[in-house]
Amino acid sequence: GAVVSQHPSRVICKSGTSVKIECRSLDFQATTMFWYRQFPKQSLMLMATSNEGSKATYEQGVEKDKFLINHASLTLSTLTVTSAHPEDSSFYICSATPTWNTEAFFGQGTRLTVV
Amino acid sequence: KNQVEQSPQSLIILEGKNCTLQCNYTVSPFSNLRWYKQDTGRGPVSLTIMTFSENTKSNGRYTATLDADTKQSSLHITASQLSDSASYICVVSRSNDYKLSFGAGTTVTVRA
Repeated sequence: GAVVSQHPSRVICKSGTSVKIECRSLDFQATTMFWYRQFPKQSLMLMATSNEGSKATYEQGVEKDKFLINHASLTLSTLTVTSAHPEDSSFYICSATPTWNTEAFFGQGTRLTVV
Repeated sequence: KNQVEQSPQSLIILEGKNCTLQCNYTVSPFSNLRWYKQDTGRGPVSLTIMTFSENTKSNGRYTATLDADTKQSSLHITASQLSDSASYICVVSRSNDYKLSFGAGTTVTVRA
């Protein structure tokens, strides 16, 4: 099946710094990638939809200046958490949808801890 | 209110036993329903995907059912193994924008 690689899997950063998370589709092209946030024992919450070559679409309540999304190629999308604070600590997951169907393939997730 | 409701929230079963997880949804217009397995600290992995016309689909020891009329789905795990311990998430896709609606998941713990 299609593989989506997310990096890093874990990151600890100091409050006020920025962290970049990468999401790559390894064996397919994805015009659309999605970024989710998941709190313990809760379902995935969609943060934004990332479209290659255009601006991301953010869900209501998600600050676009805080969570910068770049989708520069058909195989790579990045999420940058700017000026991170402890409340940004969470599990971030990306998913990618191939251009040829609507199946969603998920990355392995990134555990962000802001201290 | 979440458009995808899962039950139970968690369950514990003995190795070798069977269990059934439930998913009720109100998402409309319906495109497909997926069951994912999510291990702790990992991303979800697809188990099954069913469209409107499919009533049942199997993937090894996992069998999913779908009743599109009552908007209910179930995931049956047969002869559970320790490695089945995970969160199982029901996800429903809309046909107009393919947006995904996620259930909160059922945490399954298999004990020896």
